[in-house]
Amino acid sequence: DTAVSQTPKYLVTQMGNDKSIKCEQNLGHDTMYWYKQDSKKFLKIMFSYNNKELIINETVPNRFSPKSPDKAHLNLHINSLELGDSAVYFCASSHGLAEETQYFGPGTRLLVL
Amino acid sequence: DQQVKQNSPSLSVQEGRISILNCDYTNSMFDYFLWYKKYPAEGPTFLISISSIKDKNEDGRFTVFLNKSAKHLSLHIVPSQPGDSAVYFCAVLTGGGNKLTFGTGTQLKVEL
Repeated sequence: DTAVSQTPKYLVTQMGNDKSIKCEQNLGHDTMYWYKQDSKKFLKIMFSYNNKELIINETVPNRFSPKSPDKAHLNLHINSLELGDSAVYFCASSHGLAEETQYFGPGTRLLVL
Repeated sequence: DQQVKQNSPSLSVQEGRISILNCDYTNSMFDYFLWYKKYPAEGPTFLISISSIKDKNEDGRFTVFLNKSAKHLSLHIVPSQPGDSAVYFCAVLTGGGNKLTFGTGTQLKVEL
């Protein structure tokens, strides 16, 4: 069983479209995260949620809206996609806040044309 | 403004030899450091960590060294194996312990 799963694995879309990426963890963790790895391979946190509550929002444009329907899910919706949004997006989870061991999903490769 | 820097984008080592990956950080207040390993088309996986109250932590073939005065940490892998070929990210726990801040990664290639 996959601990942290993301769908889709690949996403190719046109500029201006709206798209969503889904994340689910079956580890019973309380905290979930979204990271972005850009073309320079720099891995940077975007959001974190603890028990469905937003904890960290790293000055991400408000075109990006995370939604946590329950502790096991953290979805990422992106409006009006731009070329610069092309990246690999990783979901992760941990037991709680201040937890150094985070478990990452396989990533979603987004390409905006 | 990179708080965590890995200045070597790549490293090539022969099987059986020691691999040494380096990381520098800017803030002397950082107190928890980690290494993550990433294979292509997979997410990063936790490898080993060290608290600032220690200067060394060992787990099997992997040892992390912390030099607080130099604001430098390193990961030693010995002996290196072909399966160790991956990208290694150094990270620190920041934001009051609520987030990981990663370096840019070092691609390690272990050759036969």
